[in-house]
Amino acid sequence: QQQVKQSPQSLIVQKGGISIINCAYENTAFDYFPWYQQFPGKGPALLIAIRPDVSEKKEGRFTISFNKSAKQFSLHIMDSQPGDSATYFCAASMNSGYSTLTFGKGTMLLVSP
Amino acid sequence: GAVVSQHPSWVICKSGTSVKIECRSLDFQATTMFWYRQFPKQSLMLMATSNEGSKATYEQGVEKDKFLINHASLTLSTLTVTSAHPEDSSFYICSAAGTAGSGELFFGEGSRLTVL
Repeated sequence: QQQVKQSPQSLIVQKGGISIINCAYENTAFDYFPWYQQFPGKGPALLIAIRPDVSEKKEGRFTISFNKSAKQFSLHIMDSQPGDSATYFCAASMNSGYSTLTFGKGTMLLVSP
Repeated sequence: GAVVSQHPSWVICKSGTSVKIECRSLDFQATTMFWYRQFPKQSLMLMATSNEGSKATYEQGVEKDKFLINHASLTLSTLTVTSAHPEDSSFYICSAAGTAGSGELFFGEGSRLTVL
């Protein structure tokens, strides 16, 4: 049973455009929702994270939107750049101290020059 | 952010041999570390949770005698793939929990294992 569903599987965006990746979760006990960026051959790096007490969090060009009632959250990358081309994973955890993350299947983003 | 170092970054071994991968938290103490496995173009699959000073907790379907995990100190966890076979070839990634209760996980750079 996949607890975090991520879409789309792949995404092509022109330079300067907005990249949008969506995730939906099932477990209402989740209370921590991070996004990770992974380049080929490298480990994931924490990009931005949100907790359900806020509906939006922005850090630079990256914004998370969170809809608790719909159990959905999304990553928006504004002014997408070729250097943003990577695989993005959403995740969720119950944050009971030392968290076990449940990952989405990932989205391969390609930003064309 | 916190730094997690993994070594080696890549290793090639013969079938039947054992390979050890180290995961170190460089600037913080990690009582809990996690080991993941990732196949090409797929998501991360949690293999086990490693707790300092105690036995690791393995996910369903992961052979604990095949993937030996030792977390001997607050800054080091090791994964040993015993009697490796070609199907064990994969990208292995460790992560360490940051401040207790924060939910933040910091990942190592990963280790690419190729078993011939």
